Amino acid sequence: KAGVTQTPRYLIKTRGQQVTLSCSPISGHRSVSWYQQTPGQGLQFLFEYFSETQRNKGNFPGRFSGRQFSNSRSEMNVSTLELGDSALYLCASSLGGGDSPLHFGNGTRLTVT
Amino acid sequence: GDSVTQMEGPVTLSEEAFLTINCTYTATGYPSLFWYVQYPGEGLQLLLKATKADDKGSNKGFEATYRKETTSFHLEKGSVQVSDSAVYFCALRRTYNQGGKLIFGQGTELSVKP
Repeated sequence: KAGVTQTPRYLIKTRGQQVTLSCSPISGHRSVSWYQQTPGQGLQFLFEYFSETQRNKGNFPGRFSGRQFSNSRSEMNVSTLELGDSALYLCASSLGGGDSPLHFGNGTRLTVT
Repeated sequence: GDSVTQMEGPVTLSEEAFLTINCTYTATGYPSLFWYVQYPGEGLQLLLKATKADDKGSNKGFEATYRKETTSFHLEKGSVQVSDSAVYFCALRRTYNQGGKLIFGQGTELSVKP
């Protein structure tokens, strides 16, 4: 069974640009969550989508947005990039039940210059 | 608000030594507790979990017991191997309907020397 796939693995962008990251969940998983990982702030929850609807949201500015498609694939968009957005962005999928474990992808490393 | 505090790393041990990584939490109600492991260049893998007080999670020789009286979920392993070198994260999920929203500790890096 294929795991969670995130593309691309690496991205370099310039301040002010926007970026879109993609996540393909494990087959059958309906929930996709996004996390930002930085050395200073650690792992922080961005948002979760379940059946194409945002179910939970973290404390990030509106520049960070996401969506989920009918096949459960998800995209995350960051507009007007700032240097502080440089991070590893992790996607996790689950069946979506309250006690379902999260399965993480290997992440997209975003560098903003 | 809810939070998770882990012992700071890095932790350096010799092969076959006993491992303890401390984790305490602050949360209202009865959160579910997790340990995740991250190997270099990879995402996080679920190591073990516990969903109610006094539950013991275990996997691959690692164990952790949900202690509500001390709000702790310490990770232990009796004999570590070089292959256990990784970063370990303690996390909580506050309520059943929080789904994919986990609150993570800062992570503890473990280095095991042969």
